[in-house]
Amino acid sequence: AQSVSQHNHHVILSEAASLELGCNYSYGGTVNLFWYVQYPGQHLQLLLKYFSGDPLVKGIKGFEAEFIKSKFSFNLRKPSVQWSDTAEYFCAVRNTGGFKTIFGAGTRLFVKA
Amino acid sequence: GAGVSQSPSNKVTEKGKDVELRCDPISGHTALYWYRQSLGQGLEFLIYFQGNSAPDKSGLPSDRFSAERTGGSVSTLTIQRTQQEDSAVYLCASSQGPGTGNGYTFGSGTRLTVV
Repeated sequence: AQSVSQHNHHVILSEAASLELGCNYSYGGTVNLFWYVQYPGQHLQLLLKYFSGDPLVKGIKGFEAEFIKSKFSFNLRKPSVQWSDTAEYFCAVRNTGGFKTIFGAGTRLFVKA
Repeated sequence: GAGVSQSPSNKVTEKGKDVELRCDPISGHTALYWYRQSLGQGLEFLIYFQGNSAPDKSGLPSDRFSAERTGGSVSTLTIQRTQQEDSAVYLCASSQGPGTGNGYTFGSGTRLTVV
């Protein structure tokens, strides 16, 4: 069965620090990969997605993620975080052409001003 | 509508009562999904609709849970004889179709508390 593992449950950073959130998945076939973000008091929003092509994908607000097929990973990165990036981040995977998206447990990021 | 709408936003119910949660997806989105988010846990898949049919009900935790969708639009998730372990945020999402290039659009959720 598919599963998604997010390595860090809580991350605390100071503004301007660099961010990398780990995500690994288990599935033998081709996959679509997503990062969603939930800001305090708001609903889940799509941050970025990978379907095919360039394994380095860029999303909103300066976020990017790199798909490394050999490592079954899709880590999220941002060179310099802001206080407004405080949120919970969810990695998700779906087998290509499928319908069910499996989510990780989430990583709570707190950015100190 | 402009977004996915869920109601009620909060529901407190007594153990043993039945509850109905409603989801109104984005107009034109044929796929609709229900997830459950418990404290400190990720999103647990419950059920998926394509149009009015539910090809996959495997995520429903027990036979106390059921869902339907009518007119290819509004969906209702019903929990019968609620238990305290049913307390969670129930999220609805919609998309233009399975396996499309788009991710999901989520609603704000219904926070269910069973006392």
